[in-house]
Amino acid sequence: EAQVTQNPRYLITVTGKKLTVTCSQNMNHEYMSWYRQDPGLGLRQIYYSMNVEVTDKGDVPEGYKVSRKEKRNFPLILESPSPNQTSLYFCASRRRQGAPEGELFFGEGSRLTVL
Amino acid sequence: AQSVTQLDSHVSVSEGTPVLLRCNYSSSYSPSLFWYVQHPNKGLQLLLKYTSAATLVKGINGFEAEFKKSETSFHLTKPSAHMSDAAEYFCVVSSTSNDYKLSFGAGTTVTVRA
Repeated sequence: EAQVTQNPRYLITVTGKKLTVTCSQNMNHEYMSWYRQDPGLGLRQIYYSMNVEVTDKGDVPEGYKVSRKEKRNFPLILESPSPNQTSLYFCASRRRQGAPEGELFFGEGSRLTVL
Repeated sequence: AQSVTQLDSHVSVSEGTPVLLRCNYSSSYSPSLFWYVQHPNKGLQLLLKYTSAATLVKGINGFEAEFKKSETSFHLTKPSAHMSDAAEYFCVVSSTSNDYKLSFGAGTTVTVRA
C-alpha cells in the first residue's frame, strides 16, 4: 500500500530536549516536505526536498533541521524545542520534482507538545 | 507571489442540502489549484485538482469545483451533503514559478447537521 509513515504520532517533551520526527514514503517520490498545522493558519511549509541531498527552507524554518540522505526518508529534527513549536506536523511526498499537478500524499500527522 | 483566501472559516449545513466552500487565490503565473480534505486525526487527502484543462473539475465523493480566472476563484461544491462530509477542507495553489511551491488556505471546517 502506498503510504507516508510518520513517527511518533504523539509526543510530549520538554523545552530543550532534542527530538526527531521520522518520515518515510514507499512510493519512490522525489519531492518531500514538512508542514506544521496551527489553528486558523492552515498548513505552513517548514522545509522541503526536491531529491536526495537537496533541501531548502520553506516559510517557517526557524528552529528546525532536516536531512535527505535516502530517497525514502526525510526526518525533521528539533535541536532545542520550545513551546512555540507545539503543533501538528505533517510530512508529505509527491512524484516528479517540479511538477505542480502531482498529488501530495500526506502522513497521518505527528502531534507534538513542548512543555 | 501567491496566496489563498478561504472566505469562510466554518460552514454548517443540513444533511441532504448543498455545500459551498469559497476560495479566492492570487498568483502571478498560471496556477494549479487543489482542494484537500482532512478528517479528524487523519492526514490530508486530495479531493480534486485544476491544472489548466477543463474549468469544471469533478472530484471524489461527489464534489466539484469551478475555476474562474476572471474572479480568481475556485469554489468547491457538492449538491447534497452527507454526514461523512464533516471535515476540514483546504484550498491550495501552486504556480509554475517558485519551485512549484504550494500555498495553503487557512481551512474551512464543515459541520453537517442530521
